[in-house]
Amino acid sequence: QKEVEQDPGPLSVPEGAIVSLNCTYSNSAFQYFMWYRQYSRKGPELLMYTYSSGNKEDGRFTAQVDKSSKYISLFIRDSQPSDSATYLCAMSGRTGGFKTIFGAGTRLFVKA
Amino acid sequence: GAVVSQHPSWVICKSGTSVKIECRSLDFQATTMFWYRQFPKQSLMLMATSNEGSKATYEQGVEKDKFLINHASLTLSTLTVTSAHPEDSSFYICSARDREWSSGNTIYFGEGSWLTVV
Repeated sequence: QKEVEQDPGPLSVPEGAIVSLNCTYSNSAFQYFMWYRQYSRKGPELLMYTYSSGNKEDGRFTAQVDKSSKYISLFIRDSQPSDSATYLCAMSGRTGGFKTIFGAGTRLFVKA
Repeated sequence: GAVVSQHPSWVICKSGTSVKIECRSLDFQATTMFWYRQFPKQSLMLMATSNEGSKATYEQGVEKDKFLINHASLTLSTLTVTSAHPEDSSFYICSARDREWSSGNTIYFGEGSWLTVV
């Protein structure tokens, strides 16, 4: 079993839809949770960062962490074609010297 | 947010030659930098972890003599692909962890470097 599980998709939605992206993990020591967006042929860009459990909102993006369920989510409201990219979840914790573990990435397509 | 610059963004080299890729943290000090390789439509594969002033830690299956990593300062790490072969052609990405814990232990990525070996 991988430490971080993420459905690779692809996920295709119409413009304006609410997108839900998720990851599950097995290591209860993870404390820091990140979401990155990667456009084709580019390096990943940090979108959201959350420490421990809770919600964080930034514009159209909301990140949720449920440590009891070992489940994190990224919601994108009013999705736009420019949101089409691969979204990677990532997490780290004191175990293993804060080594960051990435999900496989979910490919998202937002159709105009 | 923090900026990590990677250079060159793309390079073509002949088989058998060596290629150096630089990774710089522009506005923060990075005690730790990471090097990844990514194949098309696949996720990031961690190659090695580079700590300033010490030897890099390589992931299993990564040849340390082929992928030389140097982290000479808190803002610069280099990856040298030695005696490159066509199978080394890939997208190489670096990332850096901000030294200041107030940053939340997040890592920031460079723009990536496309290597094509002909």
